[in-house]
Amino acid sequence: DIQMTQSPSTLSASVGDRVTITCRAGQDISRWLAWYQQKPGKGPKLLIYDASTLEGGVPSRFSGSGFGTEFTLTISSLQPDDFATYYCQQYNSYSPYTFGQGTKLEIK
Amino acid sequence: EVQLVESGGGLVQPGGSLRLSCVVSGFTFSNYWMHWFRHVPGMGPMWVARIKGDGTMIRYADFVKGRFTISRDNAKNMLYLEMNSLRAEDTAVYSCARGGNLFDAWGQGTPVTVLS
Repeated sequence: DIQMTQSPSTLSASVGDRVTITCRAGQDISRWLAWYQQKPGKGPKLLIYDASTLEGGVPSRFSGSGFGTEFTLTISSLQPDDFATYYCQQYNSYSPYTFGQGTKLEIK
Repeated sequence: EVQLVESGGGLVQPGGSLRLSCVVSGFTFSNYWMHWFRHVPGMGPMWVARIKGDGTMIRYADFVKGRFTISRDNAKNMLYLEMNSLRAEDTAVYSCARGGNLFDAWGQGTPVTVLS
């Protein structure tokens, strides 16, 4: 299975800050990476797929980049609704789907 | 509104069995791949099994192969996970999700505790 490693595990930030979360894949996954946001008691919400394509309805302050083994999720100006846990997920064709361990974004 | 609601979780002894259900609404169930995931605190979602809209193309994670069975009833808008030979390490919240390689709708999950 392809291991996905996120950093940091926890991130403290303030409203209006620009934040970046990194996700590293254990092997080359091309652009087959998605980002999800999860809040307590709810299922994950798909934000970005194919590394950089924004899911419909997701605010443009979210962006993704990367290719191969290193990827980033950036939130350009944090809003109160953005404090949540974020996961990356790979969907390489020949491997079971795997997720990173998560990054908890907390209010500073 | 798209909704997925799981049920059937509970407390079971090692070696026991449970059958989880997921009822869906708000979309044409038979058109979608469906999946089961499990969630453990401090870790990301762990994919368990998938099934195509027509009930074919079933695949399992290695850690449940031979013990769990995914199935669906498109007439009833129901997805199932039959879990046998349960182990302590199967303890988790199990949720169903819709999608192919990307998962755009999830249920809230049903907890499974395997404890002697």
